[in-house]
Amino acid sequence: GQQLNQSPQSMFIQEGEDVSMNCTSSSIFNTWLWYKQDPGEGPVLLIALYKAGELTSNGRLTAQFGITRKDSFLNISASIPSDVGIYFCAGLAFGNEKLTFGTGTRLTIIP
Amino acid sequence: EAQVTQNPRYLITVTGKKLTVTCSQNMNHEYMSWYRQDPGLGLRQIYYSMNVEVTDKGDVPEGYKVSRKEKRNFPLILESPSPNQTSLYFCASSLGAGSGETQYFGPGTRLLVL
Repeated sequence: GQQLNQSPQSMFIQEGEDVSMNCTSSSIFNTWLWYKQDPGEGPVLLIALYKAGELTSNGRLTAQFGITRKDSFLNISASIPSDVGIYFCAGLAFGNEKLTFGTGTRLTIIP
Repeated sequence: EAQVTQNPRYLITVTGKKLTVTCSQNMNHEYMSWYRQDPGLGLRQIYYSMNVEVTDKGDVPEGYKVSRKEKRNFPLILESPSPNQTSLYFCASSLGAGSGETQYFGPGTRLLVL
């Protein structure tokens, strides 16, 4: 099955820093989703993107649907301790009932 | 409270001993799905169901079975578990499957097969 390439795999940052991560695919998606997984929990949807070029914010989080429809980006500004967790991108192709998930980016905040 | 529940949350078993992980949602969702999460591989879909009595294979269905006899329940069955099925399993549900419908995930079931 297809998987999305997500990078970086892990990030170690200091509180207050900005964070950027991205996902790329070899095929086109019609929908991009970004999830966050807290330790010991299931993933929770952060942002959904439905149009190429779309830029959507959710508080300090901003995500973009790449123009080529083969990539997406997530930025977190002014990180805080509760941002710690694993971030997953996911894509949905037209006519497909299955979400394809990225491999995840583990975010750690150094005190 | 709208939620997806899974049981058990933790399970240790031995190779070949059949087991079932239950999943239930109270949101009247049509679409349900099972994923496994492994380090470095993210979430991979095992099986999904578009509605009652409609199930289909995901990306990694080998060694698993599912059933959807009622809308709210979607159990995952391992007829003869093997050590390579040691993983963290998530059930998810959504209103529909298309257009990135928000999927609600259960809390996860951590399975160890010895």
